[in-house]
Amino acid sequence: EAQVTQNPRYLITVTGKKLTVTCSQNMNHEYMSWYRQDPGLGLRQIYYSMNVEVTDKGDVPEGYKVSRKEKRNFPLILESPSPNQTSLYFCASTRGGAGDEQYFGPGTRLTVT
Amino acid sequence: AQSVAQPEDQVNVAEGNPLTVKCTYSVSGNPYLFWYVQYPNRGLQFLLKYITGDNLVKGSYGFEAEFNKSQTSFHLKKPSALVSDSALYFCAVRDQSWGKLQFGAGTQVVVTP
Repeated sequence: EAQVTQNPRYLITVTGKKLTVTCSQNMNHEYMSWYRQDPGLGLRQIYYSMNVEVTDKGDVPEGYKVSRKEKRNFPLILESPSPNQTSLYFCASTRGGAGDEQYFGPGTRLTVT
Repeated sequence: AQSVAQPEDQVNVAEGNPLTVKCTYSVSGNPYLFWYVQYPNRGLQFLLKYITGDNLVKGSYGFEAEFNKSQTSFHLKKPSALVSDSALYFCAVRDQSWGKLQFGAGTQVVVTP
């Protein structure tokens, strides 16, 4: 089954404790991205990757890191989480064309206390 | 810069009645337009998209959307709403030069029996 998987689905952590949210897709998609969803703000892009070893900042990259060492994986790293990073996070992938739709993972609900 | 407006935070409709979710956009070039739906505790699912050609686009679950270039709108419609259509709907736009995909804030649809 074609899908985007994220882990963990739920995470409660404390300020400053480094964490990684994994994302993997099995569709051989070129383009992957991370979003955060906050009430009233819709989805805001954090980082995106056009291909292996190619990443770039989205709208709200501060406090986040990403890497794309393999085509299928695109982990999101929070080196020192803060409470304002409490949010719902989505990973998405796209085949590669600008007119292609995105496939979203199930989401990771992160709470930073 | 691209932008998307979904003027209604919530749309209430009785089952069997027509459903319309509004979306207007601003983009520098020709747009690619998308609608996504999010059911509770789920990731976003693709509904339909406008790339080029016929202004009336048909998508999943009986939804359709009409691209209106002069009004820069891309309203989502369904002739007869179901209770199961209750969800959060997002409009998104990208210009054809592979600019960033910009999401609206979302519209909550509530369909009552």
